[in-house]
Amino acid sequence: GESVGLHLPTLSVQEGDNSIINCAYSNSASDYFIWYKQESGKGPQFIIDIRSNMDKRQGQRVTVLLNKTVKHLSLQIAATQPGDSAVYFCAENLYGGSQGNLIFGKGTKLSVKP
Amino acid sequence: DSGVTQTPKHLITATGQRVTLRCSPRSGDLSVYWYQQSLDQGLQFLIQYYNGEERAKGNILERFSAQQFPDLHSELNLSSLELGDSALYFCASSAHLDRKDSPLHFGNGTRLTVT
Repeated sequence: GESVGLHLPTLSVQEGDNSIINCAYSNSASDYFIWYKQESGKGPQFIIDIRSNMDKRQGQRVTVLLNKTVKHLSLQIAATQPGDSAVYFCAENLYGGSQGNLIFGKGTKLSVKP
Repeated sequence: DSGVTQTPKHLITATGQRVTLRCSPRSGDLSVYWYQQSLDQGLQFLIQYYNGEERAKGNILERFSAQQFPDLHSELNLSSLELGDSALYFCASSAHLDRKDSPLHFGNGTRLTVT
């Protein structure tokens, strides 16, 4: 079946640099997308979300971009810090689907070098 | 701290056995969700409850069942356990039903190991 995927399984960046984590989704019926951060030994933590009627949404040090034409989602983290080291998941929610029925990608591990 | 509490943190059991995982949602949240995270399948939605009633089902096996009690805590029952059931099981909660801008808050999971 269709599922969310990720371009890069691992990403290593220098502290202070900007990070970009990419995600490809294949279901054009998805209308809501979320990025989660999962630290070792913890559950996924909500970072930012975006609806399909938006192209960009900004939070604190994070920006999510949505390109529906190519079904691509990205998470940008500004001035990456060691505390940002974690696995990042994108997730999609189908239009009309239960809000909790999220389809998660495989995850990208972000490693921040001091 | 997400406010979602899961117990136990770790569980080791043998094949064929039955276990119960417990979840207390964030205060005030009426919706509870269960997810399974395994190395080969990633995070997969199992089931959702809202105010005591089942609302949505995902990839939940027939050997698995769940319920939500009047005090809103939830339990996930796994029976006839197989080696492949070894995984992290997460509970999440949200304040609303079917509001997509109401994010899910996850607990820290129960790590189940079936030997």
